[in-house]
Amino acid sequence: GAGVSQSPSNKVTEKGKDVELRCDPISGHTALYWYRQSLGQGLEFLIYFQGNSAPDKSGLPSDRFSAERTGGSVSTLTIQRTQQEDSAVYLCASSAGQGTREQYFGPGTRLTVT
Amino acid sequence: TQLLEQSPQFLSIQEGENLTVYCNSSSVFSSLQWYRQEPGEGPVLLVTVVTGGEVKKLKRLTFQFGDARKDSSLHITAAQPGDTGLYLCAASGTYKYIFGTGTRLKVLA
Repeated sequence: GAGVSQSPSNKVTEKGKDVELRCDPISGHTALYWYRQSLGQGLEFLIYFQGNSAPDKSGLPSDRFSAERTGGSVSTLTIQRTQQEDSAVYLCASSAGQGTREQYFGPGTRLTVT
Repeated sequence: TQLLEQSPQFLSIQEGENLTVYCNSSSVFSSLQWYRQEPGEGPVLLVTVVTGGEVKKLKRLTFQFGDARKDSSLHITAAQPGDTGLYLCAASGTYKYIFGTGTRLKVLA
């Protein structure tokens, strides 16, 4: 079946502009995660959804970052007033449910803020 | 706060050599996972270990979870160029995954 997809694959934006990143999880997966990866390093946890609810938003770097999930499926990560330090690869992952250990990752969106 | 430290950060070896990478923490985790990530792609799960002292083998890869469930190692025997990539360990809590800083491996033909 189809894996996790993300769009766009690449996004170049000017400092101060808003961007929306989209994640389509594997069908039926109730848990969805957003991560940020800088310069090929480890992953920084941003936010987790179980269904449409986000029990923990503490990983979001600032109030410029927000995320939502609708219909228990597609999720969007929005970054307002982008800054150069927001440049990174944003990865989305889904899993079959809370407590399930296997996460399946999408290919990521590479965001470059100029 | 980074709770998982991986070593070495970078490793460049010749095809056929053996290598071990480490993932260490001061915290106890219920389970630990290893992923491999190639350029332009998301991480792909290699293995999950859950029991202290557990050893799992995946072809030429051997994974071990420390007795106290605070550390893990990945050993690759007779490395091949296809093993090149970023190796990440990740520890899971109730729902949150904490990733290590990664070990970037390059295997030269």
